[in-house]
Amino acid sequence: GQNIDQPTEMTATEGAIVQINCTYQTSGFNGLFWYQQHAGEAPTFLSYNVLDGLEEKGRFSSFLSRSKGYSYLLLKELQMKDSASYLCASPGRSGYSTLTFGKGTMLLVSP
Amino acid sequence: DVKVTQSSRYLVKRTGEKVFLECVQDMDHENMFWYRQDPGLGLRLIYFSYDVKMKEKGDIPEGYSVSREKKERFSLILESASTNQTSMYLCASRSDRNTGELFFGEGSRLTVL
Repeated sequence: GQNIDQPTEMTATEGAIVQINCTYQTSGFNGLFWYQQHAGEAPTFLSYNVLDGLEEKGRFSSFLSRSKGYSYLLLKELQMKDSASYLCASPGRSGYSTLTFGKGTMLLVSP
Repeated sequence: DVKVTQSSRYLVKRTGEKVFLECVQDMDHENMFWYRQDPGLGLRLIYFSYDVKMKEKGDIPEGYSVSREKKERFSLILESASTNQTSMYLCASRSDRNTGELFFGEGSRLTVL
């Protein structure tokens, strides 16, 4: 599987912008996913990047650099409800058969 | 909407008991997965299945087995539960036709005493 690293936790204030980074090993790369998981709930899909560059989806954007093995999730105009764990994930070398997840970044948004 | 349903949200079992965790999806997905999630360790893949009666080991299959007799149902079995299997278990499914997005169930929190 892929080795995926992301920060354990981050804090930010309401209305601010936060960037959550993720690095992964580049061999056998097949795309990079971001999921959001609120406490006590199931993870839900946020974004998928397979090509370099920024993909914007409302307040959330995801960036990928395949040569650097690097991605980030950008959250703008933070709201209290954005407090959650953000999981970076990548398929294994065999393609989409399985997803390997990072340990997640717990984001706490304060007033 | 895709719905992935896990049979029990909370279970408490004793060491040595046999435990069945059931998962059903209603979108005719080919692929189904069992993960466990633990603080500081994240989501780890136990087993997955890409077709009826087919199963593949994930990263941490020891102490677990699975069953996929019907396309919509994927069961996780703990033959003899141990305290280190206390965890949150998440089932997921995925279609071969999409980009790899997983749809998760609500999770089953298992406590082994």
